[in-house]
Amino acid sequence: GAVVSQHPSRVICKSGTSVKIECRSLDFQATTMFWYRQFPKQSLMLMATSNEGSKATYEQGVEKDKFLINHASLTLSTLTVTSAHPEDSSFYICSASTRRGSSTDTQYFGPGTRLTVL
Amino acid sequence: QKEVEQDPGPLSVPEGAIVSLNCTYSNSAFQYFMWYRQYSRKGPELLMYTYSSGNKEDGRFTAQVDKSSKYISLFIRDSQPSDSATYLCAMSAGKLQFGAGTQVVVTP
Repeated sequence: GAVVSQHPSRVICKSGTSVKIECRSLDFQATTMFWYRQFPKQSLMLMATSNEGSKATYEQGVEKDKFLINHASLTLSTLTVTSAHPEDSSFYICSASTRRGSSTDTQYFGPGTRLTVL
Repeated sequence: QKEVEQDPGPLSVPEGAIVSLNCTYSNSAFQYFMWYRQYSRKGPELLMYTYSSGNKEDGRFTAQVDKSSKYISLFIRDSQPSDSATYLCAMSAGKLQFGAGTQVVVTP
């Protein structure tokens, strides 16, 4: 149980284009989803917290107009990187929790999406 | 100073040895402590979840928390090549904070 999927697993795009990443909880309802970014050999950095039906809460330094998050259902959240640039190239990982807004509850992580912007 | 410090390694051990991993932290408000395993190009997988000081054992894994020293540890007994991965500590006082991860290599 508690499986989280992400799609696509890998994407390469040209600079200036937008990329959408999907995060789905397959066998449970995810009240809260989290989006992280991980650079090589570095820690996971929380980008935003998304509660179903509410606007996402972004961490300091994360541009909400650049990283659009939608959590319209209890099983799906999407992250759209708008006007992507090479510095946005990274490993994006989502996680899902059954508790609203709380990161202390167990988070189940997706397999990640490797974004490369040329 | 980072809130959570973790040696990135790599830590290389022979098969069958005990793997010892640790993290230190500065925020005394952290109450929940977790260890995740992350294989290359995959998402993290929760291994251990502890609350408050003390030991917790699950199979070959033992997690220790010493809140007075702000120090947590993970021990892996009878290590196997399949244990080769990056191990991330994480802790929370409302928001999950991760360490940088320690790369572990178990050699046959």
